[in-house]
Amino acid sequence: SQQGEEDPQALSIQEGENATMNCSYKTSINNLQWYRQNSGRGLVHLILIRSNEREKHSGRLRVTLDTSKKSSSLLITASRAADTASYFCATVSLYQKTSYDKVIFGPGTSLSVIP
Amino acid sequence: KAGVTQTPRYLIKTRGQQVTLSCSPISGHRSVSWYQQTPGQGLQFLFEYFSETQRNKGNFPGRFSGRQFSNSRSEMNVSTLELGDSALYLCASSVPGQRNTIYFGEGSWLTVV
Repeated sequence: SQQGEEDPQALSIQEGENATMNCSYKTSINNLQWYRQNSGRGLVHLILIRSNEREKHSGRLRVTLDTSKKSSSLLITASRAADTASYFCATVSLYQKTSYDKVIFGPGTSLSVIP
Repeated sequence: KAGVTQTPRYLIKTRGQQVTLSCSPISGHRSVSWYQQTPGQGLQFLFEYFSETQRNKGNFPGRFSGRQFSNSRSEMNVSTLELGDSALYLCASSVPGQRNTIYFGEGSWLTVV
């Protein structure tokens, strides 16, 4: 079963509005990361939140983490047309039998910001 | 600090051929991971290398292979290409064990015709 799953799959908003994307996961994690991907490009890291943190901010981005509900949300405030992209969450945990990181990406949310 | 560099950026191959993609991680990063991204399947983990050893492997057939060199540069190879192998192949590097940020390259677009 998929570890990280974003919701909604697609989101269309007007410029200036806020955009909220959610990510749910199933097992314990060490941290959760959010990425942005413009069409046909690589993923760009946005923000990392550790399991002992509840909220982090970076510019117009606000990420929350609720480990009891195994969910995270990414809020983009005052959206701009340039924010149009796909957004992915990635959970980082440990493989049980090793000390290696296990990274799982969700299917992503496609955000369209209409000028 | 230079980012993750992937080459080539675009390539077209025919069915049955094989392809090799290259990835140079960020200096000092010893962990390199490969992902396949397709519209229908999203990001699928292929494998991860650390210190020239494959640590983790995703659920892909044996046609997909990789290796890592002593300078941490990595290559992945796909043999006997199929149409379904058309995808964006992404390489990522990180400092393992510290659960830090994963950095991605721009990817290699492979089209199989």
